[in-house]
Amino acid sequence: DAGVTQSPTHLIKTRGQHVTLRCSPISGHKSVSWYQQVLGQGPQFIFQYYEKEERGRGNFPDRFSARQFPNYSSELNVNALLLGDSALYLCASGVREGISPLHFGNGTRLTVT
Amino acid sequence: GNSVTQMEGPVTLSEEAFLTINCTYTATGYPSLFWYVQYPGEGLQLLLKATKADDKGSNKGFEATYRKETTSFHLEKGSVQVSDSAVYFCALSDLFAGKSTFGDGTTLTVKP
Repeated sequence: DAGVTQSPTHLIKTRGQHVTLRCSPISGHKSVSWYQQVLGQGPQFIFQYYEKEERGRGNFPDRFSARQFPNYSSELNVNALLLGDSALYLCASGVREGISPLHFGNGTRLTVT
Repeated sequence: GNSVTQMEGPVTLSEEAFLTINCTYTATGYPSLFWYVQYPGEGLQLLLKATKADDKGSNKGFEATYRKETTSFHLEKGSVQVSDSAVYFCALSDLFAGKSTFGDGTTLTVKP
C-alpha cells in the first residue's frame, strides 16, 4: 500500500508570495495533520482535519490555512510568506482523530528567500 | 500546555553498546506516548507506543515504559547497530487536543 504522499518535495519561494502544499493520506485514513519542522527542532502542530472538518489548530498565524477534500486529501496554504516560514512541512495521516499513531510523509522542504 | 523534554544530543555510541534516551513530559489528562524515528532524508516513522501507565512499548529491540509517577518515557536498547543511527523523537498525544506534541529530537550516531 502507498504511504502518505506529499507534493512538491522541494519548493523555493520569495517573501510575500503564497504557497500551496498537498498531501494524500494512506488509503482508509480519514485524519490528516500538518506539522512544521524547523531544522534542529521537533515537528510543531499546525492543523488537524478529520472527516473534512478542522479538529485542532496550533499556535500559527492566520496566514496559515488548510482544508480537507472529500477524498481525504489535504492542502496547506501559507500566505504572505516570511523568511521564518522556511522549514520542512510534514503531513501525517491517521485512522481516526485523537489518540492514534501518525503515519508521516517525507515532507515538503520550503525555502523562502 | 503539553510539553515534551528530551535529553540533548548528539549521542555517539559504539556498536553493541547500551542506549538510553531520556524523555519526560508535562500534560493534563492521560496522554498516549510515542517514540518516532527519522532516518536521513525520510519522514518520521512510528517506533513504539504506550497508551496507559505502566505499559511497555517495544519494537526492533527498542523498549520504553510509560511511567506516570515520574512522567517519563525513556527509550532503551540493549545493543545498538550502525543502522540505528537516526534522529529519535519522543511525543505525546492528547485525546482532547487531537494533536501530537514532540520533543526536539535526539540524534544518535552508532560507530562500527
